[in-house]
Amino acid sequence: QTVVTQEPSFSVSPGGTVTLTCGLTSGSVSTSHYPSWYQQTPGQTPRTLIYNTKFRSSGVPDRFSGSILGNKAALTITGAQADDESDYYCVLYVTTGIWVFGGGTKVTVL
Amino acid sequence: QVQLVESGGGVVQPGGSLRLSCAASGFSFSTSGMHWVRQAPGKGLEWVTFTRYDDIQRWYADSVKGRFAISRDNSKNTLYLHINSLRLEDTGVYYCAGMSSGQSFDPWGQGTLVTVSS
Repeated sequence: QTVVTQEPSFSVSPGGTVTLTCGLTSGSVSTSHYPSWYQQTPGQTPRTLIYNTKFRSSGVPDRFSGSILGNKAALTITGAQADDESDYYCVLYVTTGIWVFGGGTKVTVL
Repeated sequence: QVQLVESGGGVVQPGGSLRLSCAASGFSFSTSGMHWVRQAPGKGLEWVTFTRYDDIQRWYADSVKGRFAISRDNSKNTLYLHINSLRLEDTGVYYCAGMSSGQSFDPWGQGTLVTVSS
């Protein structure tokens, strides 16, 4: 069974930079997994931030960026703002017709 | 305006069944693959199932295989999720989402709550 890993939580200061990662318990994440990232605040619908590793969805500020770092996908928030305080989820396309979400990272801005 | 609107959630006893619907508008539904994603209370997102734009192939997470069935009616711009043999752990908000660029999930519906309780 494929498990996608994310840090449970991160804290960042306003204006600071934080990098969240998305890995696999077995193997490396590559662009072939088409990593995408979603932001969700409690009670709200997920919002698409990044798709296909590094492409920002429409209307997403450029302080959000996606990449592959080592053997993981990464979401970097540069210049964090108070309203970036949310849960962040990655999802990987692991094989034909099958996607797996990570457990999510709770980001606190303080 | 792109909109996905889920309906059909409710309170169901263990072992019961439900049919969820997702009505699409302002969105190229008939040419888009579609997903169901769920979220248990206080937990993360879980991919549940996906169907191609033409409904020729469907895929399921192991946790729901054999109990859940996805289908669609492109003439009605509507996606369905038939849920059978409901378990307590199936409780949560069920979202429909389109398959967008780079295998991503977009747009998303607002979700419908399924509560399995005796």
